[in-house]
Amino acid sequence: EAGVAQSPRYKIIEKRQSVAFWCNPISGHATLYWYQQILGQGPKLLIQFQNNGVVDDSQLPKDRFSAERLKGVDSTLKIQPAKLEDSAVYLCASSLPGGNAEAFFGQGTRLTVV
Amino acid sequence: AQSVTQPDIHITVSEGASLELRCNYSYGATPYLFWYVQSPGQGLQLLLKYFSGDTLVQGIKGFEAEFKRSQSSFNLRKPSVHWSDAAEYFCAVSMDSSYKLIFGSGTRLLVRP
Repeated sequence: EAGVAQSPRYKIIEKRQSVAFWCNPISGHATLYWYQQILGQGPKLLIQFQNNGVVDDSQLPKDRFSAERLKGVDSTLKIQPAKLEDSAVYLCASSLPGGNAEAFFGQGTRLTVV
Repeated sequence: AQSVTQPDIHITVSEGASLELRCNYSYGATPYLFWYVQSPGQGLQLLLKYFSGDTLVQGIKGFEAEFKRSQSSFNLRKPSVHWSDAAEYFCAVSMDSSYKLIFGSGTRLLVRP
C-alpha cells in the first residue's frame, strides 16, 4: 500500500516569495492533517481536514498561510509571503475517518527561507 | 492549555543497555497518549498509543510504555537497545481519539556501539 506522498522534498526560497506544498494521502483516508516542525521542536498542527471541509485551523497563520483540499483527496498548503521563521519541515498525515484511526505521516517537505 | 514535556533533549546509551525516555503531560483530564519515532529524513512512525485500559502498553520494535495517572507520565522503555534505535522520539497527546496531536519537543537517542 502506498504511503502519504509529499512534494517537493526540499525547497529554498527568498523571504517574501510564495511557495506551495502538495500532499497525496493514502487512498480512502478522509482525514488529512498538516503539521509544521521547526528545527529542535515537535510538530505543531496547522490544519485538519475531514474530506474537503476544515475541522480545525486554529493554529494556521491565516494572514500568510492557506490550505485547500479540493475533491477531498489531494491537498496543497501555501505560504505567501514567506518569512524567515517559516523555515521548517511541513508534514502531511492522513487517516481513515472515525476515532482511533491511526494517522500515517509523509516524509515531509523541508522549507528553507533565506 | 495542554502541554507535553520531554525533559531530556539527548540521551546516550550503549547497545544492549536498557532505555527509558521520559514524558510528562499537563491536561485536565486523561488524554490519549502516543509515542512516535522519527529517523533522519523520514516521517513519523507510531510506536504505541494509550487510549484506555491496561496502563502498560506494548508497541512495535520491542518498545513499551506505562501510563501513570498520579505522575501525569507516559514513559517509554525498551529492555535492550539496538543500534538501529538511534533516532528522535516524540511523545504526544490528544484530547480525543483523533490524531490532532500536541507533541513534546523530542528526545534524541544516540546508541554507543
